[in-house]
Amino acid sequence: EIVLTQSPATLSLSPGERATLSCRASQSVSSYLAWYQQKPGQTPRLLIYDASNRAAGIPARFSGSGSGTDFTLTISSLEPEDFAVYYCQQRSNWPPLTFGGGTKVEIK
Amino acid sequence: QVQLVESGGGLVKPGGSLRLSCAASGFTFSDYYMNWIRQAPGKGLEWVSYISSNRRYINYADSVKGRFTISRDNARNLLYLQMNSLRAEDTAVYYCARDRTEGGLLDYWGQGTLVTVSS
Repeated sequence: EIVLTQSPATLSLSPGERATLSCRASQSVSSYLAWYQQKPGQTPRLLIYDASNRAAGIPARFSGSGSGTDFTLTISSLEPEDFAVYYCQQRSNWPPLTFGGGTKVEIK
Repeated sequence: QVQLVESGGGLVKPGGSLRLSCAASGFTFSDYYMNWIRQAPGKGLEWVSYISSNRRYINYADSVKGRFTISRDNARNLLYLQMNSLRAEDTAVYYCARDRTEGGLLDYWGQGTLVTVSS
């Protein structure tokens, strides 16, 4: 089973700042990594798939990069609605699909 | 628009059973693999099971293997999860999710249904 480790666990930032979230895989997942956003009480929403492709309707301030074992989600300038928990997920070697433990982006 | 609506959650005693349903609309259900994902209170996401579009391929997380059964009715656009021998650690919100690629890319999720296992 591929283990995904996200860091940091919590990121405290102000609106307008840049957010950089990390996801590291225990073995290579090629580019088969996705990012999801989950706001409190809401369902997860697909943001980025295959490491760097934005899903439909996702603003350009969200970008993903990386391949192999190290991946990054960047939010270029935080909007108030971006404060949420973000999960990475691999689909390179499944089942099982595996998710990271999440990074909470909170208002500083 | 794509809609997934789960139902069937509730409070059940340890060792009990529950069947969850997921009603799909807004897309050709029979063309897509479907998954169940769960989230324990205050915790992260855990994949539970998937079923292929034609029901030929099915798989489960080790944590539920032998206790849970996934199924689907393509004529009625319904996905199911039969959960038996429930344990306290199965307490979670259960989401159904559409697989966009038949390869584990979950592009639409339902709103979830809460299952609580407690005496």
